[in-house]
Amino acid sequence: NAGVTQTPKFQVLKTGQSMTLQCAQDMNHNSMYWYRQDPGMGLRLIYYSASEGTTDKGEVPNGYNVSRLNKREFSLRLESAAPSQTSVYFCASKRANTEAFFGQGTRLTVV
Amino acid sequence: KQEVTQIPAALSVPEGENLVLNCSFTDSAIYNLQWFRQDPGKGLTSLLLIQSSQREQTSGRLNASLDKSSGRSTLYIAASQPGDSATYLCAVTPYEAGAQKLVFGQGTRLTINP
Repeated sequence: NAGVTQTPKFQVLKTGQSMTLQCAQDMNHNSMYWYRQDPGMGLRLIYYSASEGTTDKGEVPNGYNVSRLNKREFSLRLESAAPSQTSVYFCASKRANTEAFFGQGTRLTVV
Repeated sequence: KQEVTQIPAALSVPEGENLVLNCSFTDSAIYNLQWFRQDPGKGLTSLLLIQSSQREQTSGRLNASLDKSSGRSTLYIAASQPGDSATYLCAVTPYEAGAQKLVFGQGTRLTINP
């Protein structure tokens, strides 16, 4: 089983460039999440989707947009990248009251 | 607002020791608590999930307990091995309509010395 798959694994962007991080899960989970992980800040929720067709802001949504394309896929878009968005991004999915599964992460550097 | 704390931030012990990692949370209104392991440069791997109605869960050398009323969980690792070296994170799922978001602690970085 693939579980949660994120692409790309690494990316370097110039300030002002845009990009989309892709996430797909094959576990038929309703809920999907995007987190960022920064040293000293832990994991912070950017956006989440409780079910297909719904998305909501998390703790740190500014500068990001998301799309829940279907039940399997949840993408995160940076419209105009800033150095403050340099981070490791994780996608996760879960079903209600069960364990969450995480992807392997995308290391993004904005120069 | 739910807050999760893990103390200590780092722990170093010799191989073979039994050890306990701590996790505390401020609001007892949770669905469950989950322990994860994260190796350097990798994603999070789920270790154990404890539902709010449960007191403990076991998997191999790992045992996690939950005391919801006091807002505490512990992860017990028996007979530690160098391969157990990693960062351990706990996360709670607070009562909240819809998505069951996870709220994470900042983790304990564990080093097992051969």
